[in-house]
Formats: sequence, C-alpha cells, structure tokens
Amino acid sequence: QKEVEQNSGPLSVPEGAIASLNCTYSDRVSQSFFWYRQYSGKSPELIMSIYSNGDKEDGRFTAQLNKASQYVSLLIRDSQPSDSATYLCAVTFTGGFKTIFGAGTRLFVKA
Amino acid sequence: ETGVTQSPTHLIKTRGQQVTLRCSSQSGHNTVSWYQQALGQGPQFIFQYYREEENGRGNFPPRFSGLQFPNYSSELNVNALELDDSALYLCASSTQTGGLGNTIYFGEGSWLTVV
Repeated sequence: QKEVEQNSGPLSVPEGAIASLNCTYSDRVSQSFFWYRQYSGKSPELIMSIYSNGDKEDGRFTAQLNKASQYVSLLIRDSQPSDSATYLCAVTFTGGFKTIFGAGTRLFVKA
Repeated sequence: ETGVTQSPTHLIKTRGQQVTLRCSSQSGHNTVSWYQQALGQGPQFIFQYYREEENGRGNFPPRFSGLQFPNYSSELNVNALELDDSALYLCASSTQTGGLGNTIYFGEGSWLTVV
C-alpha cells in the first residue's frame, strides 16, 4: 500500500464549478498535510497546509482534514481555467523527517 | 518565487556519465531535501541534508550522493547515469528537518535527460 494515494484523474470541471480533490494516507501517526499545485513543465508550488482536523480556508481554496478517516481533501471554489494543473497531496509523519508525496491528480477546468 | 535556486535548468547527458546538480536554499533555511520526479509521477524523496550531514535517505542506490555546504547550499551527484535517471530533479529547502509545521519550498528544478 502506498503511503499517500490520490486518484490520478483527470478530473474535469466546468468553469465556475467546485473542484474536489481527495487524498488518503497510510495508517501511521500523521502530522502535517500539504497541497501543492504543479503546472505542466514547472515545479510544485505550495497552496495550503493543514495540521488539525476540520476545515481551513484561504481564498477560493479550502483544505479539509479528517485524521480518523485518514483523509485530506482540497476544494477549489469558482474554478478557473488557470486552475488547470496537477495537484499534489503531501504528508509528513510524526518522528519523520521527509515529506511524502502522492502521484497527483490532474485537474482540467473547461472554459 | 520561493528563493530556492537550482542550476542548471536543463541538461542532456549520455548513459554512464556523471552529473552534478546545484541548489541554493532560501535565506534562513538550514535543511535541503532532494526529490526525483519522473513524468506522470509524484516527487520521490532521494535524501535530506541538515547541517552538512545526510539526515535521511529514500530508496535510491549509492550512486546518488550529495553534499551540503556551510552556507546551506547543496549538490546532488549521480554517477553511472542510466536512462531511467531521466527526470525532473527538485531541490526543496526548509527551516527544520521535520516536525509539525515543517514546510518545504521547491526550486524550479533541473530537467535531466539521459540518452
């Protein structure tokens, strides 16, 4: 079982819709959770981090964490064509030194 | 703009050759991690350097080696290049080696093609 799993997609949503991206992680003591966005041919850039159960909002982005279900999600409201990218979920585990990434979900926002 | 700089941005090498990739960390960051990202995959952890010492290593062979310098900049060296080494190599810096809130910030990456 992979430590961080994401649906590879592609996920296609119309402009203005809500895009929902999901991530599950393995049964270990988890600590910090991150969402990165990666445009084609570019390096990943940090969108959000979340450490506690519940929701965290930043502009059009909302991260949701449920440690009991080992589940973290990213909601993008009012999706724009410029949001089309690969979204990487990343996790660090208690006592760990490295950040572990999922394979990413490709998102297409249709104008 | 993360303040993490990498060089070179693109390079082509022949199988069996050696390559050195360089990274300057963000100001105030003392930890550097290197990742390999093959096409269509997520970044895979190679190793991490903290205070000039290797702090942890992923599932990569010994021909992948690194260095960290007193100014916290770092190098990734790959010997005996193989075709499968073709990938985007990412350097990431952070203020700590782990723990709650430790966030890594990536440079622009170095695209390596092995022919």
